[in-house]
Formats: sequence, structure tokens, C-alpha cells
Amino acid sequence: GDSVTQMEGPVTLSEEAFLTINCTYTATGYPSLFWYVQYPGEGLQLLLKATKADDKGSNKGFEATYRKETTSFHLEKGSVQVSDSAVYFCALAYTGFQKLVFGTGTRLLVSP
Amino acid sequence: DAGVIQSPRHEVTEMGQEVTLRCKPISGHDYLFWYRQTMMRGLELLIYFNNNVPIDDSGMPEDRFSAKMPNASFSTLKIQPSEPRDSAVYFCARGSPGGTQYFGPGTRLLVL
Repeated sequence: GDSVTQMEGPVTLSEEAFLTINCTYTATGYPSLFWYVQYPGEGLQLLLKATKADDKGSNKGFEATYRKETTSFHLEKGSVQVSDSAVYFCALAYTGFQKLVFGTGTRLLVSP
Repeated sequence: DAGVIQSPRHEVTEMGQEVTLRCKPISGHDYLFWYRQTMMRGLELLIYFNNNVPIDDSGMPEDRFSAKMPNASFSTLKIQPSEPRDSAVYFCARGSPGGTQYFGPGTRLLVL
């Protein structure tokens, strides 16, 4: 079946450091890929998405590129802030079939 | 604003009591999802609806759990009787074309 694998956390960085959170997927077809973020005490919210191979999703300084050849969708940010501390979830879904398959989440802790 | 209202935001109850969680998504979206999140098990999909009809309830833990969606802008998740292991944060999410889901703020349930 389809699945999403994320790197284990927590990821601990100092402010202004470069961030990479790895995400790989296994899929039988050609899904859309998503990154969701969950801030403490809140629900998940969409951070970015990409719908086909080589697409790049971007938002709030974060970006991720849909790599079909490596089945990956790694999240990157050039300079993290303390306010980026949260749990990040990678997910996939097929157009027309609404069910999201989530990874286990990666906690990011950014210190001043 | 994700356009999803959940109530109550916090619920504390005693084992054996009935618990009803409520979700009010803005209308106009065909899909509605109920999730449960715990430290041990992460984020779990319990059930989802399409056009108010339950499509997949394979994630519902056992017969103590039931969910209804009487109309496009209201859904309930009921636990009867509740047990301490049901303690978790329960999220409701509405779906949109393309697979994006918009999550409510969650209900934090504690069963003593």
C-alpha cells in the first residue's frame, strides 16, 4: 500500500540555520504531495503542496520539490526562526480520492 | 481560518460516561474527516464522509465509537462508554478538491 516515511525527530537547530526534513513515499500511482505543519496546541494546517513531478511547492520561506525519480519531497528552509518550532507532517493523496496518507511527523525545535 | 469549528475545545469526563464531540465545517465541501492524535499512536484517521455518507470507518477503534453527519455543516463523534485510553486530541477536517484538508482546532479529551 501507499506510505510516507519521514526522518525521526526532534530536529534541533539554532535560529537562522538551514533546515532539511526528509520525506520519501511509496505509491502505486502519481499522487499529490503535501507538507502540513502543526503548531503547539493547534490543528494541522497546509504549508505547501505539489501535484506532479518536478513541481515545487513554496510558502513562508519553505519549499519542497516533487522528485519522482527518488520518490522524495524533502522540506527545506534557508533560515529558520524560533516561530518555526512545530511538528511537520509529510502526506500524499490522489486527486479525486480525498484520503491523506500521513507520515509520522517530525518535530522541529529552533532555539534563539 | 480553516472554516471548521469544533466543540468543546476541552472535555474532562469520567470513565463510563458518554462523550459527544461536535464539528461544524463551512458548507460547500464534500468530504469530512475525523482524526485522533496521541503521543503513542500519532495521527490516526477514524472515519470519513462523502456527501454526508460514511465511506470508510475502518479506523474506528471499536463499537464504542460512532459518528454521524446529518447534514453538510454538522457532524458528531460519540464515545459510549468512554475509557481512559480514549484520552486524545480529536480533530475534524474538511476536504477540498485536490486532496487538501483543512483542520479544526481539535477537542482535547481526558477520560479519568
